Parts: sequence; C-alpha cells; structure tokens
Amino acid sequence: NAGVTQTPKFQVLKTGQSMTLQCAQDMNHNSMYWYRQDPGMGLRLIYYSASEGTTDKGEVPNGYNVSRLNKREFSLRLESAAPSQTSVYFCASRTAGYGYTFGSGTRLTVV
Amino acid sequence: AQSVSQHNHHVILSEAASLELGCNYSYGGTVNLFWYVQYPGQHLQLLLKYFSGDPLVKGIKGFEAEFIKSKFSFNLRKPSVQWSDTAEYFCAVNTRGADGLTFGKGTHLIIQP
Repeated sequence: NAGVTQTPKFQVLKTGQSMTLQCAQDMNHNSMYWYRQDPGMGLRLIYYSASEGTTDKGEVPNGYNVSRLNKREFSLRLESAAPSQTSVYFCASRTAGYGYTFGSGTRLTVV
Repeated sequence: AQSVSQHNHHVILSEAASLELGCNYSYGGTVNLFWYVQYPGQHLQLLLKYFSGDPLVKGIKGFEAEFIKSKFSFNLRKPSVQWSDTAEYFCAVNTRGADGLTFGKGTHLIIQP
C-alpha cells in the first residue's frame, strides 16, 4: 500500500549510543517531517524538509540531525542518545493542498 | 507562533451519546485546520480537514467539525458515538506559508459499552 514507511518499529538504546531512524514515502510528496509524541504533550515538530535538498528546524531540534537523502527518504539521527529522547517518533509527508500522511511510528527507549 | 488548545484531556461517554471536542487556536491569519485520530497502538489517521469554503466539514466515520473564524475554534462533533471511537483525538493547525503542523495536546476519549 502507498504511504509512509518507518523503520525500525521498536528500538532500545543505551545512553550515549547513536542511531538513525529511517523514513520513506512513495506518494511523490515534496515535504517530509519528523515529530515526537510524548504523553500529554501531543506531537511536536523536530525537523522538516519542505523539498528535496532543504531541511529546517522545528520546535524541538536539539539532539537531532536529519538528512533528506532524496525525494522519497528523510532520516533522523540521534548522535548521542539521552533518556529525555525516549519517545514515539513519527514521520509524515504531504504535498500542497492535501493533508499530512503519517507513518506507523518508532517507539524508542533510551536507558 | 501559533498554538492549539484542546480543552478536554479525558472524556468518558456511553455509547450513543453525542460528542463535542473543543479546539481553539491562536493565530490571526489564514489557517488550515485538521483533526486526527490515533487508535491504541496505531499511527495518526486524518479524520477531516478544513482549507477554505464551507465552514462545516464532514469527515470519515460520521465525524464533522465547524470552523468558526470569529471564535478561532474548530470543534469536532459526532451525534452518536460507538465503542470503536475509543481513541486519542488531536486538533492541528497549519498556517499558510509556514510548514509543519502545530498540534494540541490531545483528548483521550473512552466510550463505555
């Protein structure tokens, strides 16, 4: 099915470890986004890419980096994971005039 | 920067009751408005959206929302809820010319059989 695919679905990291969350969409959307979801906080924007080759900070970018590898793929990297980054991470994409399509999420625990 | 307020963090209703979830946003310009639903353990799904035109928007699963510009509100309604409506509901705003969505903190809805 067309949509947004995220990998992995679950991950446990030790403090200080690094990892990359992968996201790919097959809807030919221009814009892609990374959000984190924490209880009672809703979803907060970490980074976004309005088009291939561009990236911008969102509301909570500290501790993260992103790469827009091509039009389909947008990855999120944690260079040195901290317990405060324990969260559920959602990738989303959209094209102008339409709503946002979300992936199924990555549940990350940092111990 | 815009913000979104959802007034009810937890709502418990019986089946067949009517539902209204409040959403207010703070932004004086043109906005796009969304309601998303997240069933337990799943990702967000779009219920409905408002970009322009008729302020009464109908979405999936019998939900509707009304945009009242003068009140900066976009409340979600359903005349008769079902047990399967148990989920978390998020209101979100996107301002024209900006990117990304600003979400409210969500309303956890529990429908009792």
